[in-house]
Amino acid sequence: AQSVTQPDIHITVSEGASLELRCNYSYGATPYLFWYVQSPGQGLQLLLKYFSGDTLVQGIKGFEAEFKRSQSSFNLRKPSVHWSDAAEYFCAVGAGAAGNKLTFGGGTRVLVKP
Amino acid sequence: NAGVMQNPRHLVRRRGQEARLRCSPMKGHSHVYWYRQLPEEGLKFMVYLQKENIIDESGMPKERFSAEFPKEGPSILRIQQVVRGDSAAYFCASSATQVYEQYFGPGTRLTVT
Repeated sequence: AQSVTQPDIHITVSEGASLELRCNYSYGATPYLFWYVQSPGQGLQLLLKYFSGDTLVQGIKGFEAEFKRSQSSFNLRKPSVHWSDAAEYFCAVGAGAAGNKLTFGGGTRVLVKP
Repeated sequence: NAGVMQNPRHLVRRRGQEARLRCSPMKGHSHVYWYRQLPEEGLKFMVYLQKENIIDESGMPKERFSAEFPKEGPSILRIQQVVRGDSAAYFCASSATQVYEQYFGPGTRLTVT
């Protein structure tokens, strides 16, 4: 069965600093990988996705992620964090016949210091 | 184009009552998914439906929970005889095809007292 691990429960970063969120997955086939962001009391917004092709994917809000098959990782990065990036971030892997059953990691809560 | 809509946004039920959660997918989307988020946890898959069909219910508790997506109208997640452990946020997502991009609604926060 597939699984996703986000090793960091909380990360605090200063505004303007870079951010990297870690995600490791376990899945027996080619994974479909996603990063979502959730603001307090809100639903999830898709930041970016990887299906195939270029292993460096660009998303919305200045985020990018790199798929590394050899490390089973899909880490999320942003060069310069804004205060509005404070939220919880979830990594997910798509399973099932067409990747339609998402398995989520436990999430990383990002706090941004002024 | 309206996004995924869920109602109610907040629902309070006493133990033993029934909870009905509704989800209207994005226009043109015929695939619906339900996920549950327990406090301080990530989301867990519950069920995947297409119009009038349950495709995958491997994440649904065996008792008290049921889901449907009728030919007309929203998808319904029904929880009978709720218990305190059912308190959670329930999210619905939809996609246009069986392809992988799911769009999430704002969730229904169920509180069982």
